Amino acid sequence: NTKITQSPRYLILGRANKSLECEQHLGHNAMYWYKQSAEKPPELMFLYNLKQLIRNETVPSRFIPECPDSSKLLLHISAVDPEDSAVYFCASSPDSFSGNTLYFGEGSRLIVV
Amino acid sequence: GDKVKQSPSALSLQEGTNSALRCNFSIAATTVQWFLQNPRGSLINLFYLVPGTKENGRLKSAFDSKESYSTLHIRDAQLEDSGTYFCAAERNMGYKLTFGTGTSLLVDP
Repeated sequence: NTKITQSPRYLILGRANKSLECEQHLGHNAMYWYKQSAEKPPELMFLYNLKQLIRNETVPSRFIPECPDSSKLLLHISAVDPEDSAVYFCASSPDSFSGNTLYFGEGSRLIVV
Repeated sequence: GDKVKQSPSALSLQEGTNSALRCNFSIAATTVQWFLQNPRGSLINLFYLVPGTKENGRLKSAFDSKESYSTLHIRDAQLEDSGTYFCAAERNMGYKLTFGTGTSLLVDP
């Protein structure tokens, strides 16, 4: 899937700050960040529609999303914690209203040491 | 409790055989999506369903909103079908998918 690209794909961090990036080439209005911990299903973190944050699930304040335009999404992580080790997926859909197929990027695997 | 339960949790199939996966909802689901997470970790959308059925090649899925369940049938299983299958349900209260816990499928030669 090259239509939703994420970088970096792999990241090993101590207690540092880092940003994950995502870009979608599908012309979608809605973009999401999901967190998938080992052996668990994906969990929604944030949802943007047309650059507006419209869903913010219960996420530690060290995670800060940013949507500079409707095709790009960033996730800034400050002072990572071992519990943050997971795969972070970016996803998009035509818009955020009911009834839209969700497409995922390849994920960014974060390992906190 | 679990709002979206998948069964079985794990399954092993021989190549060429058929199987069915099931998703039961304790929420009033309006739409359902099925995803395959392959061994490389990629999440691939298989189906988006309103109540009714859809078919795509060897895969067929059904969603019954009144009885609160969905099924995914795999016909003539192939090695590349191995992975974890997730169903995800949406309620008519704003767009958020609730994922099931997944069915891990292994297809053996």
